[in-house]
Amino acid sequence: DAKTTQPPSMDCAEGRAANLPCNHSTISGNEYVYWYRQIHSQGPQYIIHGLKNNETNEMASLIITEDRKSSTLILPHATLRDTAVYYCIVLNTGNQFYFGTGTSLTVIP
Amino acid sequence: ETGVTQSPTHLIKTRGQQVTLRCSSQSGHNTVSWYQQALGQGPQFIFQYYREEENGRGNFPPRFSGLQFPNYSSELNVNALELDDSALYLCASSPGATNEKLFFGSGTQLSVL
Repeated sequence: DAKTTQPPSMDCAEGRAANLPCNHSTISGNEYVYWYRQIHSQGPQYIIHGLKNNETNEMASLIITEDRKSSTLILPHATLRDTAVYYCIVLNTGNQFYFGTGTSLTVIP
Repeated sequence: ETGVTQSPTHLIKTRGQQVTLRCSSQSGHNTVSWYQQALGQGPQFIFQYYREEENGRGNFPPRFSGLQFPNYSSELNVNALELDDSALYLCASSPGATNEKLFFGSGTQLSVL
Protein backbone atom coordinates (compact mmCIF):
# COMPACT_ATOMS: atom_id res chain seq x y z
CA ASP A 1 0.00 0.00 0.00
CA ALA A 2 1.27 3.44 -0.93
CA LYS A 3 2.19 5.43 2.15
CA THR A 4 2.00 9.17 2.46
CA THR A 5 4.25 11.66 4.24
CA GLN A 6 2.96 15.00 5.47
CA PRO A 7 4.46 17.70 7.70
CA PRO A 8 3.00 17.38 11.20
CA SER A 9 1.92 21.01 11.46
CA MET A 10 1.61 24.26 9.53
CA ASP A 11 0.41 27.80 10.16
CA CYS A 12 -1.34 30.10 7.70
CA ALA A 13 -2.52 33.68 7.99
CA GLU A 14 -6.23 34.23 7.61
CA GLY A 15 -7.15 35.21 4.06
CA ARG A 16 -3.97 33.81 2.57
CA ALA A 17 -3.62 30.61 0.59
CA ALA A 18 -2.77 27.50 2.55
CA ASN A 19 -0.59 25.02 0.65
CA LEU A 20 -0.42 21.58 2.22
CA PRO A 21 2.14 19.20 0.73
CA CYS A 22 2.06 15.41 0.61
CA ASN A 23 4.60 12.89 -0.61
CA HIS A 24 3.41 9.54 -1.98
CA SER A 25 6.44 8.28 -3.86
CA THR A 26 5.27 4.62 -3.95
CA ILE A 27 1.90 5.34 -5.50
CA SER A 28 0.76 2.99 -8.25
CA GLY A 29 -0.63 4.09 -11.58
CA ASN A 30 -4.26 3.44 -10.78
CA GLU A 31 -4.33 4.69 -7.19
CA TYR A 32 -6.18 7.88 -6.39
CA VAL A 33 -5.04 10.62 -4.03
CA TYR A 34 -7.72 11.73 -1.57
CA TRP A 35 -7.75 14.58 0.91
CA TYR A 36 -9.90 14.67 4.01
CA ARG A 37 -9.91 17.00 6.97
CA GLN A 38 -11.00 16.54 10.54
CA ILE A 39 -12.12 19.33 12.77
CA HIS A 40 -11.80 18.58 16.46
CA SER A 41 -14.26 15.99 17.75
CA GLN A 42 -15.92 15.50 14.38
CA GLY A 43 -15.69 12.80 11.74
CA PRO A 44 -13.36 13.36 8.76
CA GLN A 45 -14.81 15.43 5.94
CA TYR A 46 -14.11 14.77 2.26
CA ILE A 47 -12.34 17.62 0.46
CA ILE A 48 -11.17 16.49 -2.97
CA HIS A 49 -9.56 13.64 -4.88
CA GLY A 50 -7.67 13.10 -8.11
CA LEU A 51 -5.72 10.62 -10.21
CA LYS A 52 -3.44 12.50 -12.62
CA ASN A 53 -4.93 15.84 -13.48
CA ASN A 54 -5.26 18.86 -11.23
CA GLU A 55 -8.69 19.18 -9.67
CA THR A 56 -10.67 22.06 -8.24
CA ASN A 57 -13.94 22.25 -6.38
CA GLU A 58 -15.70 24.72 -4.13
CA MET A 59 -13.47 23.86 -1.19
CA ALA A 60 -9.97 23.49 -2.59
CA SER A 61 -7.61 22.73 -5.44
CA LEU A 62 -5.45 19.64 -5.78
CA ILE A 63 -2.19 19.81 -7.68
CA ILE A 64 -0.58 16.44 -8.53
CA THR A 65 2.93 16.39 -9.94
CA GLU A 66 3.48 14.82 -13.33
CA ASP A 67 5.27 11.80 -11.84
CA ARG A 68 2.43 11.52 -9.27
CA LYS A 69 4.89 11.17 -6.42
CA SER A 70 3.62 14.20 -4.59
CA SER A 71 0.64 16.50 -4.39
CA THR A 72 -0.42 19.78 -2.84
CA LEU A 73 -3.77 20.74 -1.43
CA ILE A 74 -4.51 24.44 -1.80
CA LEU A 75 -7.08 26.30 0.26
CA PRO A 76 -7.21 29.58 -1.67
CA HIS A 77 -8.38 31.92 1.08
CA ALA A 78 -7.98 30.29 4.48
CA THR A 79 -10.45 31.16 7.22
CA LEU A 80 -10.38 30.38 10.92
CA ARG A 81 -12.87 27.58 10.28
CA ASP A 82 -10.24 25.83 8.12
CA THR A 83 -8.21 25.06 11.24
CA ALA A 84 -8.19 21.26 11.25
CA VAL A 85 -6.07 18.17 10.69
CA TYR A 86 -5.69 17.45 6.98
CA TYR A 87 -5.11 13.91 5.78
CA CYS A 88 -3.61 12.93 2.47
CA ILE A 89 -4.56 9.36 1.56
CA VAL A 90 -3.73 7.07 -1.30
CA LEU A 91 -6.66 4.74 -1.93
CA ASN A 92 -5.24 1.25 -2.23
CA THR A 93 -6.34 -1.46 -4.61
CA GLY A 94 -8.50 -2.96 -1.88
CA ASN A 95 -10.44 0.30 -1.82
CA GLN A 96 -9.63 0.85 1.83
CA PHE A 97 -8.57 4.20 3.23
CA TYR A 98 -5.42 4.26 5.36
CA PHE A 99 -5.01 7.51 7.23
CA GLY A 100 -1.65 8.70 8.50
CA THR A 101 -1.26 11.29 11.22
CA GLY A 102 -1.96 14.20 8.86
CA THR A 103 -1.00 17.87 8.99
CA SER A 104 -2.44 20.05 11.73
CA LEU A 105 -3.22 23.38 10.06
CA THR A 106 -3.70 26.43 12.24
CA VAL A 107 -5.15 29.53 10.61
CA ILE A 108 -3.98 32.60 12.45
CA PRO A 109 -6.10 35.79 12.62
CA GLU B 1 -24.44 16.96 7.37
CA THR B 2 -23.30 13.59 6.03
CA GLY B 3 -26.47 11.64 6.75
CA VAL B 4 -24.49 9.15 8.84
CA THR B 5 -25.50 8.93 12.48
CA GLN B 6 -23.82 7.03 15.28
CA SER B 7 -25.00 6.06 18.72
CA PRO B 8 -24.27 6.49 21.48
CA THR B 9 -22.03 9.56 21.33
CA HIS B 10 -20.18 8.63 24.50
CA LEU B 11 -19.84 5.37 26.39
CA ILE B 12 -17.97 4.17 29.44
CA LYS B 13 -17.21 0.50 29.98
CA THR B 14 -14.95 -1.52 32.22
CA ARG B 15 -12.21 -3.88 31.15
CA GLY B 16 -13.51 -7.31 30.10
CA GLN B 17 -16.98 -6.11 29.17
CA GLN B 18 -18.54 -6.22 25.72
CA VAL B 19 -19.82 -3.23 23.76
CA THR B 20 -22.01 -2.66 20.70
CA LEU B 21 -21.79 0.56 18.72
CA ARG B 22 -24.39 1.47 16.13
CA CYS B 23 -24.37 3.34 12.86
CA SER B 24 -27.09 4.42 10.48
CA SER B 25 -25.94 5.10 6.92
CA GLN B 26 -27.54 7.09 4.18
CA SER B 27 -30.24 5.23 2.29
CA GLY B 28 -28.68 3.55 -0.73
CA HIS B 29 -25.18 3.37 0.75
CA ASN B 30 -24.21 -0.27 0.41
CA THR B 31 -20.71 -0.01 1.88
CA VAL B 32 -19.97 0.72 5.52
CA SER B 33 -16.55 0.94 7.12
CA TRP B 34 -15.49 1.25 10.74
CA TYR B 35 -12.43 3.05 12.03
CA GLN B 36 -10.74 3.38 15.39
CA GLN B 37 -9.08 6.68 16.24
CA ALA B 38 -6.86 6.85 19.29
CA LEU B 39 -6.05 10.23 20.78
CA GLY B 40 -3.62 12.15 18.58
CA GLN B 41 -3.64 9.54 15.81
CA GLY B 42 -5.33 9.23 12.46
CA PRO B 43 -8.27 6.85 12.02
CA GLN B 44 -7.27 3.19 11.70
CA PHE B 45 -9.28 0.93 9.40
CA ILE B 46 -11.03 -1.90 11.27
CA PHE B 47 -13.21 -3.54 8.62
CA GLN B 48 -15.61 -2.93 5.80
CA TYR B 49 -18.94 -4.46 4.80
CA TYR B 50 -20.60 -4.46 1.43
CA ARG B 51 -24.19 -5.66 1.19
CA GLU B 52 -24.00 -7.40 4.56
CA GLU B 53 -20.77 -9.27 3.92
CA GLU B 54 -17.33 -8.38 5.24
CA ASN B 55 -15.07 -7.57 2.31
CA GLY B 56 -12.02 -6.07 3.97
CA ARG B 57 -10.33 -6.08 7.35
CA GLY B 58 -7.51 -4.17 8.93
CA ASN B 59 -5.07 -5.37 11.58
CA PHE B 60 -7.58 -5.90 14.38
CA PRO B 61 -8.17 -9.09 16.40
CA PRO B 62 -11.29 -11.26 16.01
CA ARG B 63 -12.86 -9.79 19.15
CA PHE B 64 -13.72 -6.85 16.88
CA SER B 65 -16.69 -7.96 14.80
CA GLY B 66 -19.45 -6.35 12.85
CA LEU B 67 -22.80 -6.69 11.21
CA GLN B 68 -24.49 -4.82 8.40
CA PHE B 69 -28.27 -4.94 7.98
CA PRO B 70 -30.48 -4.48 4.90
CA ASN B 71 -31.89 -1.23 6.30
CA TYR B 72 -28.47 0.49 5.98
CA SER B 73 -27.70 0.20 9.67
CA SER B 74 -24.64 -1.54 11.05
CA GLU B 75 -22.99 -2.53 14.30
CA LEU B 76 -19.48 -2.80 15.65
CA ASN B 77 -19.08 -5.28 18.49
CA VAL B 78 -16.03 -5.47 20.69
CA ASN B 79 -15.64 -8.33 23.17
CA ALA B 80 -13.33 -8.58 26.16
CA LEU B 81 -12.62 -4.87 26.24
CA GLU B 82 -9.08 -3.76 26.98
CA LEU B 83 -7.87 -0.39 28.22
CA ASP B 84 -6.27 0.28 24.81
CA ASP B 85 -9.68 0.02 23.17
CA SER B 86 -10.43 3.50 24.51
CA ALA B 87 -10.81 5.59 21.36
CA LEU B 88 -13.18 7.39 19.03
CA TYR B 89 -14.95 4.88 16.79
CA LEU B 90 -16.01 6.21 13.42
CA CYS B 91 -18.47 4.78 10.95
CA ALA B 92 -18.33 5.75 7.29
CA SER B 93 -20.53 4.86 4.35
CA SER B 94 -20.42 5.12 0.58
CA PRO B 95 -22.83 4.24 -2.20
CA GLY B 96 -20.99 1.53 -4.09
CA ALA B 97 -18.52 -1.27 -3.58
CA THR B 98 -15.58 1.07 -3.81
CA ASN B 99 -14.75 3.53 -1.08
CA GLU B 100 -15.10 6.70 -3.04
CA LYS B 101 -15.93 9.77 -1.03
CA LEU B 102 -16.59 8.25 2.36
CA PHE B 103 -19.25 9.96 4.44
CA PHE B 104 -18.32 9.85 8.11
CA GLY B 105 -20.44 10.03 11.22
CA SER B 106 -19.33 12.04 14.24
CA GLY B 107 -18.23 8.94 16.09
CA THR B 108 -18.69 7.23 19.43
CA GLN B 109 -16.17 8.07 22.15
CA LEU B 110 -15.52 4.87 24.09
CA SER B 111 -13.70 4.95 27.40
CA VAL B 112 -12.59 1.67 28.97
CA LEU B 113 -11.77 1.85 32.68
